[in-house]
Amino acid sequence: KQEVTQIPAALSVPEGENLVLNCSFTDSAIYNLQWFRQDPGKGLTSLLLIQSSQREQTSGRLNASLDKSSGRSTLYIAASQPGDSATYLCARPPAFSGGYNKLIFGAGTRLAVHP
Amino acid sequence: DAGVIQSPRHEVTEMGQEVTLRCKPISGHNSLFWYRQTMMRGLELLIYFNNNVPIDDSGMPEDRFSAKMPNASFSTLKIQPSEPRDSAVYFCASRYEGSVSGYTFGSGTRLTVV
Repeated sequence: KQEVTQIPAALSVPEGENLVLNCSFTDSAIYNLQWFRQDPGKGLTSLLLIQSSQREQTSGRLNASLDKSSGRSTLYIAASQPGDSATYLCARPPAFSGGYNKLIFGAGTRLAVHP
Repeated sequence: DAGVIQSPRHEVTEMGQEVTLRCKPISGHNSLFWYRQTMMRGLELLIYFNNNVPIDDSGMPEDRFSAKMPNASFSTLKIQPSEPRDSAVYFCASRYEGSVSGYTFGSGTRLTVV
């Protein structure tokens, strides 16, 4: 069974800290991995998409890395702000799917950044 | 682009009633997905379409659930009859299969069955 695991389930940090969210997956035959943000009561917003041929992607204060050999992806948030408070989910297509169709989601990390 | 549009945003219905959720994908996207999110089970794929054809419906919980995509710009998810355990947030997402782009999600429909 292919699984996506996110640790920690919840994280509370003071404003300004740099932090790392972890995502691990079984089966290294991964085509891509996508990080999403979900605010309470809202939908999912795509943050970063890393293709299997890439090692990392950056967008502003966010940096996502992908290590296929170890089955891990990390989302690095620099200089965290209260507005970063949300649930962060990682997701990947099933192995041998061609990178298409459904996504397998992790349970998410609920982040709270306090002033 | 207005993104993936879902309606209604909220739905409260009585057990046994029929519920229809609607989705308009991003123009040009040829794959559409219906997901369900609950506290207990997280995000689960119910069904997905490619070029308006259902490809994988293995996640549809039971015969009470059905989904259609009559054209490239519209899809429905129907629950008949609804039950309290169907209460969840239902998301629609779309993407262009064959590209390297990711998925775009709608804002979801929060369904409460009482």
